[in-house]
Amino acid sequence: GDSVTQTEGPVTVSESESLIINCTYSATSIAYPNLFWYVRYPGEGLQLLLKVITAGQKGSSRGFEATYNKETTSFHLQKASVQESDSAVYYCALGYLPGTGSNRLTFGKGTKFSLIP
Amino acid sequence: NAGVIQTPRHKVTGKGQEATLWCEPISGHSAVFWYRQTIVQGLEFLTYFRNQAPIDDSGMPKERFSAQMPNQSHSTLKIQSTQPQDSAVYLCASSRGTTSQNTLYFGAGTRLSVL
Repeated sequence: GDSVTQTEGPVTVSESESLIINCTYSATSIAYPNLFWYVRYPGEGLQLLLKVITAGQKGSSRGFEATYNKETTSFHLQKASVQESDSAVYYCALGYLPGTGSNRLTFGKGTKFSLIP
Repeated sequence: NAGVIQTPRHKVTGKGQEATLWCEPISGHSAVFWYRQTIVQGLEFLTYFRNQAPIDDSGMPKERFSAQMPNQSHSTLKIQSTQPQDSAVYLCASSRGTTSQNTLYFGAGTRLSVL
């Protein structure tokens, strides 16, 4: 079946430094999947951070960016300068358009990020 | 909009007892998903309803687990004869549309502990 592999956490960096969380996927459908990053902030529920449905495109939100690379089957999440409010657990996920694969999302195991105190 | 509401937040059962988990999706959302989260397996898909109809239950353990959506305002996940390995956080999510491009809105989850 489909699978998503992401950086095993926890990941820690200093404030204002850059962050990258790696995500690679394996898709069983011949159709290119849609790719997502979801995030869970402390005390909150899982929520969408960004999504990209077209290979080669880049998505961005809250200073984070991720580029859909179908050649390397990757969707790495990056931010140039992190702050305390970015501390959270980040989940990479894939899904499909109707008729090309399952409507459900397949998630990675999550990467916990926090600032070095 | 209160978001997706899951009750109870925590449930403790003895081995062999039944557990029923409740989910109230966001009003107007046509798709409801159930996921299970554990440290070892991460987020695992269980089942999916579209306009109250069961569409995909391929993630549901074949025995003891069942899910229903009797009306558009709530869904239940029932686990019969709970076992310690059923301990997990059960997440419900809803979305406005029925494609994977539609944003999933998750509830806070129900933490099930089977003693």
